[in-house]
Amino acid sequence: AQSVTQLGSHVSVSEGALVLLRCNYSSSVPPYLFWYVQYPNQGLQLLLKYTTGATLVKGINGFEAEFKKSETSFHLTKPSAHMSDAAEYFCAVKMKTSYDKVIFGPGTSLSVIP
Amino acid sequence: DTEVTQTPKHLVMGMTNKKSLKCEQHMGHRAMYWYKQKAKKPPELMFVYSYEKLSINESVPSRFSPECPNSSLLNLHLHALQPEDSALYLCASSQALGTGPGNYGYTFGSGTRLTVV
Repeated sequence: AQSVTQLGSHVSVSEGALVLLRCNYSSSVPPYLFWYVQYPNQGLQLLLKYTTGATLVKGINGFEAEFKKSETSFHLTKPSAHMSDAAEYFCAVKMKTSYDKVIFGPGTSLSVIP
Repeated sequence: DTEVTQTPKHLVMGMTNKKSLKCEQHMGHRAMYWYKQKAKKPPELMFVYSYEKLSINESVPSRFSPECPNSSLLNLHLHALQPEDSALYLCASSQALGTGPGNYGYTFGSGTRLTVV
């Protein structure tokens, strides 16, 4: 069965430091890949997605992610963390053969230290 | 209008009550979803509607009853809930179902925080 893992349930970075949130999927066929962010008491917001084409995807708020098929990974990065980036981040996948079921990873809580 | 609006934001209900959650979008999206999210957990899919027809029911108990009266509106009717049903209920929409290259991300509402007492 398809699964998504996010290494580190909690990540802390200093303000201005690099943000790296890890996501790996288990599938022999590359799925569609998404990153969502959830701020406290809010719904989820789509940060970026990879469907086809260029493997480096740019999203909102300065985030980007790179699809690496050989590593079955889709890690999320941001060069310089801001206090407002503190939130829960979910990686999600959808199989290309799936009618429409998105599978979410367990989430990573990002803290930004002043 | 690029929002999904959910009402109410908070709901407290007894185990014998009947209540409804409402979700509305005016983006012309033809797929709508209900998710349940427990604290510190990812969202879990409950129902998927496509063109106002129920497409997926993830074996959700019958005390949850979805309804899609039109392309902009999605309801979730609640009856005889249990305390373990307390959670954040999220509505989402996307342009359409499908597996094509233009695969769509979801637009989520802010959710209804439900407490069953």
